[in-house]
Amino acid sequence: DTAVSQTPKYLVTQMGNDKSIKCEQNLGHDTMYWYKQDSKKFLKIMFSYNNKELIINETVPNRFSPKSPDKAHLNLHINSLELGDSAVYFCASSGEGGTEAFFGQGTRLTVV
Amino acid sequence: QQQVKQSPQSLIVQKGGIPIINCAYENTAFDYFPWYQQFPGKGPALLIAIRPDVSEKKEGRFTISFNKSAKQFSLHIMDSQPGDSATYFCAAIIGGSNYKLTFGKGTLLTVNP
Repeated sequence: DTAVSQTPKYLVTQMGNDKSIKCEQNLGHDTMYWYKQDSKKFLKIMFSYNNKELIINETVPNRFSPKSPDKAHLNLHINSLELGDSAVYFCASSGEGGTEAFFGQGTRLTVV
Repeated sequence: QQQVKQSPQSLIVQKGGIPIINCAYENTAFDYFPWYQQFPGKGPALLIAIRPDVSEKKEGRFTISFNKSAKQFSLHIMDSQPGDSATYFCAAIIGGSNYKLTFGKGTLLTVNP
């Protein structure tokens, strides 16, 4: 069983469109995250949710809106997509203390 | 402000060599230092981690050396294999009070056969 799964794996879309990425974890973790990996492989946290509550929002444009319907799911909705949003987006989860994060396989978003 | 600095950016070694990847941090509140391994097309996966009260931790062929006074830590891969070719990230976190992993910029390791 996949511990952290996100869909879709690839997403190609035009500028201005709205898209969503879904994430689910079956590890029983309380904390979930969205990370962005740019073309230079740099990993940067975007959001963190603990028990469905937002605890980290790293100055991400408000076109990005995370939603956590329950502690096993954290979805990312992106409005008015821009070329600069092209990247790989990783969902992750961690248990108590947040010291060990488990990552999903990533969603490669390409905005054309 | 980059709180975790990682070097080198890329590294090529021959099979059996011992690649060393170095990281330095600034925030003394960090109390947990994991290393992640990422293969192409996959998410990062936790490889090994250390707390600052320990100077060295070994798991299989992977060893972390930690120098608290210098605020530096490094990953050594013994007897490296072509299958170790991947991108390696060091990271730091303030466990328990802050759920934010701060990553270094990554090192692309290539192990030639």
